[in-house]
Amino acid sequence: GQQLNQSPQSMFIQEGEDVSMNCTSSSIFNTWLWYKQEPGEGPVLLIALYKAGELTSNGRLTAQFGITRKDSFLNISASIPSDVGIYFCAESSGTYKYIFGTGTRLKVLA
Amino acid sequence: DVKVTQSSRYLVKRTGEKVFLECVQDMDHENMFWYRQDPGLGLRLIYFSYDVKMKEKGDIPEGYSVSREKKERFSLILESASTNQTSMYLCASSSRASYGYTFGSGTRLTVV
Repeated sequence: GQQLNQSPQSMFIQEGEDVSMNCTSSSIFNTWLWYKQEPGEGPVLLIALYKAGELTSNGRLTAQFGITRKDSFLNISASIPSDVGIYFCAESSGTYKYIFGTGTRLKVLA
Repeated sequence: DVKVTQSSRYLVKRTGEKVFLECVQDMDHENMFWYRQDPGLGLRLIYFSYDVKMKEKGDIPEGYSVSREKKERFSLILESASTNQTSMYLCASSSRASYGYTFGSGTRLTVV
């Protein structure tokens, strides 16, 4: 099955640093979603993007829907220890079914 | 608080056993999904359902089956568990009227 290329696979950063991760695909999509999964829990939706070029923020998180509609970016500013987890991108071509990226595992060192 | 509830957080089963993973949602969502999560592979879709008694195969349906007799409940069945089915299993639901899924907390299954 199709999957999205998500990078980096993992990141170890110091508290207070900014974080960037991205997701790319060979296909064009209509919707990009970003999820966070904390240890021992299911993923939780952070941000949804609906059109090319869209830039959306949720607190310290900012995500963008790439102009080409084949990629998306998530930035976290001034990281804190509770940002630890796995971040997944997901996209849909318009059906109810989403395809997920392989995840970026984030660890924040205090 | 709306939620998706998976019946077990941890399960240990023996090779060859028939295993049932249960998922219940209280949001009256039409769509329900079963994913497995493995390190480095992300979330892979096993089966999904758009309506009661309706099911469709996802990307990795081999060795699994599902049942949706009621709108709120979606069961994943491992007909004869094997060690390569050791994984985290995530159930999710969604509404046709909105984007994204609501996930359960997951069931970590170990087959020995």
